[in-house]
Amino acid sequence: GAVVSQHPSWVICKSGTSVKIECRSLDFQATTMFWYRQFPKQSLMLMATSNEGSKATYEQGVEKDKFLINHASLTLSTLTVTSAHPEDSSFYICSAILLWYEQFFGPGTRLTVL
Amino acid sequence: AQTVTQSQPEMSVQEAETVTLSCTYDTSENNYYLFWYKQPPSRQMILVIRQEAYKQQNATENRFSVNFQKAAKSFSLKISDSQLGDTAMYFCAFMKHGGNAGGTSYGKLTFGQGTILTVHP
Repeated sequence: GAVVSQHPSWVICKSGTSVKIECRSLDFQATTMFWYRQFPKQSLMLMATSNEGSKATYEQGVEKDKFLINHASLTLSTLTVTSAHPEDSSFYICSAILLWYEQFFGPGTRLTVL
Repeated sequence: AQTVTQSQPEMSVQEAETVTLSCTYDTSENNYYLFWYKQPPSRQMILVIRQEAYKQQNATENRFSVNFQKAAKSFSLKISDSQLGDTAMYFCAFMKHGGNAGGTSYGKLTFGQGTILTVHP
């Protein structure tokens, strides 16, 4: 099956610094990728839709200046958490669309902001 | 807008037994897909089963089957012969049919709250 990777798998950073998370589709091209945030024992919350070559579409309530998304190629989308604070600590998951009804998820990135 | 509701926050079952997880949804769409995803302790999301709304036949994948009641907007998951490896959080999800890449709803999933399933030996 199709594989989506995320890097890093976990990251610890100091408050006020920026952190970049990469999402790659390893064996297929994805014009559309999604970024989710998940708190423990809760559902996935869609943050934004990332489309190759265009600006990301953010869900209501998500700060676009804090969560910068860049989809520079058909296999790579990045999420940068700018000026991270402890409340940004969470599990971030990306997914990539292979066919419109079929998407594959990355293994997630655990972010801890001290 | 679509909503997906999973009313069972936690469920438990003995190994080898059968368990059913409930899911209801609300939509005005006629063409859509429904999914069950599994998230084990590793937190990797795994597709369990997919159902196309225009198909009346319930989808099955080995020990996993669904009971899709379109009129009632119900989509339950039955796990037969439960195994320890089935322990996970299960999410029901809705996707509107079609759309074009770059469109606002293309491939967008709406998830339920999730059900934590524990399989006991």
